[in-house]
Amino acid sequence: SQKIEQNSEALNIQEGKTATLTCNYTNYSPAYLQWYRQDPGRGPVFLLLIRENEKEKRKERLKVTFDTTLKQSLFHITASQPADSATYLCALTYGQNFVFGPGTRLSVLP
Amino acid sequence: GAVVSQHPSWVICKSGTSVKIECRSLDFQATTMFWYRQFPKQSLMLMATSNEGSKATYEQGVEKDKFLINHASLTLSTLTVTSAHPEDSSFYICSARTGEPQHFGDGTRLSIL
Repeated sequence: SQKIEQNSEALNIQEGKTATLTCNYTNYSPAYLQWYRQDPGRGPVFLLLIRENEKEKRKERLKVTFDTTLKQSLFHITASQPADSATYLCALTYGQNFVFGPGTRLSVLP
Repeated sequence: GAVVSQHPSWVICKSGTSVKIECRSLDFQATTMFWYRQFPKQSLMLMATSNEGSKATYEQGVEKDKFLINHASLTLSTLTVTSAHPEDSSFYICSARTGEPQHFGDGTRLSIL
């Protein structure tokens, strides 16, 4: 079965720096890879989607890369702000399956 | 953007009662809706997948007689936790999908006393 890992359970960075979060999967290449943000007590909010034939996607301060050879996606938040503090989840769609990673809790310190 | 509304946002009830949670897609028709459960500091665990007009498909280990899912229309799915017990206390989240990506409701915090 598909196993998804996210680089660390928690990540602390200083305001203004770039946060880089990692999502690795073990088996099947997904048709889509998605990143979501989840705040405590709230549902996940969709951020970006990247397809298996795409290398990079950007949206404002967010950037996602996708390397099917390494079986890895990187999620970058540039010029990070305390308001970016949240849990970030990667999710893979392959076939009829949709699977979440365990998430990384990001804290941006002022 | 696509909006998924979940109601209620929180509920507290006595052990043995049944609780119904609604999930609506407000501005799109969802071919498929999903129900997840999330424990503190853990990721979302898929409970079941429902398609409009057909029976839900439950994940392994999820009791279908305990967690009743009805998907009567393309914009509404309900999850009923029957005869709820304290171990059913959790954060329940629905999502709706028509193509990619999935869009999520804001969750229901269920506390069984």
